[in-house]
Amino acid sequence: EVQLVESGGALVQPGGSLRLSCAASGFTVSSNYMSWVRQAPGKGLEWVSIIYKSGTTKYADSVKGRFTISRHNATNTLYLEMNRLRAEDTAVYYCASTVTYYFDNWGQGTLVTVSS
Amino acid sequence: ETVLTQSPATLSLSPGERATLSCRASQSVSIYLAWYQQKPGQAPRLLIYDASNRATGIPARFSGSGSGTDFTLTISSLEPEDSAFYYCQQRSKLTFGGGTKVEI
Repeated sequence: EVQLVESGGALVQPGGSLRLSCAASGFTVSSNYMSWVRQAPGKGLEWVSIIYKSGTTKYADSVKGRFTISRHNATNTLYLEMNRLRAEDTAVYYCASTVTYYFDNWGQGTLVTVSS
Repeated sequence: ETVLTQSPATLSLSPGERATLSCRASQSVSIYLAWYQQKPGQAPRLLIYDASNRATGIPARFSGSGSGTDFTLTISSLEPEDSAFYYCQQRSKLTFGGGTKVEI
């Protein structure tokens, strides 16, 4: 059974940094496309970033230059490094396996709150 | 950039009724559109991909249709557990529509 478990969400001040983790089981992160999708409180879904099997990465314009997606093959874990955080980055962050650019398995999400 | 517009914003129906949700793209996305269901406090769940293919484990009462710019998600006979938000998503830029809330 595929399982994704996010962690690392916290309250952080504007301009601060945070690293989110997504531990995967039941499949191999490096053999799949993997994404981060976020949802601001009471709002819709927004794709944030994707990492391909090759290691190539892409980002939404709203986070480009501030966020970095990566993976650690030995621990089968996906990461999202977030720098220069803004209030508008406040959201639940989900990791998701991505098959032909659709999000087929999702974690339960982790809440990031950016506030002073 | 292709924008996805969902309508209506809210749909209030009774159990057993048919629900028809619309997703319109600002330019053609061919058949490359998916639908997701999200219940309060839960992660989204993939229902339909490539416009009309049901994902694994999705009940047959959920069906999708359309191509180009106009897409429809149909729930043939609503069950109480179908109360949720429904989002469409296009494949090329991984963007989502604004969502439709289905109240039963």
